[in-house]
Amino acid sequence: SQELEQSPQSLIVQEGKNLTINCTSSKTLYGLYWYKQKYGEGLIFLMMLQKGGEEKSHEKITAKLDEKKQQSSLHITASQPSHAGIYLCGADNTGGFKTIFGAGTRLFVKA
Amino acid sequence: ETGVTQTPRHLVMGMTNKKSLKCEQHLGHNAMYWYKQSAKKPLELMFVYNFKEQTENNSVPSRFSPECPNSSHLFLHLHTLQPEDSALYLCATRAGEGNIQYFGAGTRLSVL
Repeated sequence: SQELEQSPQSLIVQEGKNLTINCTSSKTLYGLYWYKQKYGEGLIFLMMLQKGGEEKSHEKITAKLDEKKQQSSLHITASQPSHAGIYLCGADNTGGFKTIFGAGTRLFVKA
Repeated sequence: ETGVTQTPRHLVMGMTNKKSLKCEQHLGHNAMYWYKQSAKKPLELMFVYNFKEQTENNSVPSRFSPECPNSSHLFLHLHTLQPEDSALYLCATRAGEGNIQYFGAGTRLSVL
């Protein structure tokens, strides 16, 4: 079965610094989702990537899916306290409606 | 606001109680999901409903019983739970395969 590994597990950065979170899959990715979660709340959709080499941006967050489609990275430029939370990657299996998720990366931003 | 509403937001129950979690969506989506999120563990898929039919039961204990009476509502009936069932329970919906899932805010369940 497919597994998603996220790194790092947690991250503390100074406000204004850049950071990168990685999501590595044990199998080829056919649809990679990035979500953000505040503690104890639901997941908020950030971006979806489907094609190898695809890159998408929203405000100061950029996500990429590598050419071989087994890894994705999420990059935040000039981090702000509002970026703090848990970032999760999710991937669809090759059939059906199942999505598996990584364990998440906890981001703390120091003001 | 994601268009997916879960109630209650918090629930404390004893091991002998019976309670239900409710999920309501206003997005017109065909697929609805229940997930369990425990501390420092990946989201665990519990059940999937597609067009009101259950298509996935991820080896969930029978003390959890889902119900999907119509395309807008999904319930999770709970009875004789264990303390290890304490977690955040999330509902999600999606329009179809390969589409984005939209999540509710979750129900924080504590079993005493």
